[in-house]
Amino acid sequence: AQSVTQLDSQVPVFEEAPVELRCNYSSSVSVYLFWYVQYPNQGLQLLLKYLSGSTLVKGINGFEAEFNKSQTSFHLRKPSVHISDTAEYFCAVTPIPQGAQKLVFGQGTRLTINP
Amino acid sequence: GAGVSQSPSNKVTEKGKDVELRCDPISGHTALYWYRQRLGQGLEFLIYFQGNSAPDKSGLPSDRFSAERTGESVSTLTIQRTQQEDSAVYLCASSFAGYNEQFFGPGTRLTVL
Repeated sequence: AQSVTQLDSQVPVFEEAPVELRCNYSSSVSVYLFWYVQYPNQGLQLLLKYLSGSTLVKGINGFEAEFNKSQTSFHLRKPSVHISDTAEYFCAVTPIPQGAQKLVFGQGTRLTINP
Repeated sequence: GAGVSQSPSNKVTEKGKDVELRCDPISGHTALYWYRQRLGQGLEFLIYFQGNSAPDKSGLPSDRFSAERTGESVSTLTIQRTQQEDSAVYLCASSFAGYNEQFFGPGTRLTVL
């Protein structure tokens, strides 16, 4: 089984400041990792994903994340945030394909950007 | 092209009533998933359909919950004898076969009074 822990439930930052949203996971098998964003009153949108290869992955809207296998982490970063980045961010994993591909999500981190 | 659509967008019901939630996946997507998002929490997997294979129902919280899918098209999630703890946003997602990015619908917000 897999589990995902997002270490911060809320992160307030000022506009143009850098931000890091932390994600740790637990799994007995290898996994794929994802970050999704949920803007107010909308569905989830994929920000980025790690499947294999380079551990630094770049996504949409200037976000990037680094997979660290030894620390079982997949932290999300952005060097300079904008008001429009205000949203809820979810880290998720799925076991490398063995059958059903359900996603296991963390509890979410609410990112609030202040002017 | 059209994304995943869900209906209704909002549903208010009384405790003990049955409800049906509908999901229209992206055309050509063979996999369809239902998740539940309770207030302030992450998403919980409910059920997964893949082509003609038996669905993975391992996430359904009780026998009051059931889901059907006709071929590779529409799916309905049915909750019988609703309880207040069923109040949540129910999200549907679809994808191509095997691992692939899941595309999410806007969700149905269910409120049980």
